[in-house]
Amino acid sequence: AQSVTQLGSHVSVSEGALVLLRCNYSSSVPPYLFWYVQYPNQGLQLLLKYTSAATLVKGINGFEAEFKKSETSFHLTKPSAHMSDAAEYFCAVSDRYAGGTSYGKLTFGQGTILTVHP
Amino acid sequence: DAGVIQSPRHEVTEMGQEVTLRCKPISGHDYLFWYRQTMMRGLELLIYFNNNVPIDDSGMPEDRFSAKMPNASFSTLKIQPSEPRDSAVYFCASSLRPQGNTYEQYFGPGTRLTVT
Repeated sequence: AQSVTQLGSHVSVSEGALVLLRCNYSSSVPPYLFWYVQYPNQGLQLLLKYTSAATLVKGINGFEAEFKKSETSFHLTKPSAHMSDAAEYFCAVSDRYAGGTSYGKLTFGQGTILTVHP
Repeated sequence: DAGVIQSPRHEVTEMGQEVTLRCKPISGHDYLFWYRQTMMRGLELLIYFNNNVPIDDSGMPEDRFSAKMPNASFSTLKIQPSEPRDSAVYFCASSLRPQGNTYEQYFGPGTRLTVT
C-alpha cells in the first residue's frame, strides 16, 4: 500500500526566507508524486507533479520539488517566502495509470500548514 | 472554464436527516472523484467514476453513503441518515483520462457539512 508522510504539521518562516516542506513516500512501484496547496475555504490546487520525467520539478508560484528515489523523498522548496504563500500544503502519491478505466488513486499526506511572518 | 462546481457550499442539518451534495465536473473530463476531509483522517477518497460509471467505491464509509452520476455533467453524494461524525468538508474533483504527463485532478471549492 502507498503512503505519504509529511514531516511537520506546522512550519513557520519569515517573509523572504527559504521554504522547505518535507514529504517522504512509500510505494511498491515507481510512483507519481504531487504537491497541492489549499488556501482557506478553497479546494486544492496543483502546485507541481513528478511523473518520471526530470527529477527536479518546477511548479507554479516559484515552488519546486526534487524526487530522490534513494531517500524516498519529494520535498517542496521555495527560495524566498511571500506572505501570499501562507496556506496548507499536501503531498500526494499515486500509482501510475494502468490503462482502461482504472485511475491511480491519490493518497494524501496529513498536510503542512505554512505560516509566513512579516 | 468555470472549474468544478459544488453546491451547496455550506450545509447544516440535524442528525437523521438526508443530505445531498452536488457536483458539476469540468466539461469534457472523463473522471469524477468524491473526497472527504476531516481533521482526524485528512483527505480520503470515497468513490470515483469513469464516464459516469462507478469504478471504485471502496472508500465509502458505510451504506448510509451513496453516490450517483446520471450524466457526464452531474454527480450527487447522498448521506441518509446523516450522523454528527459525517461532519466534514466534501470535495469533488474531475480529471481527463491520464495521457503521458497529463495527470491532474481539478478540485471544487468543497461543501462544508455540519451535522448537529
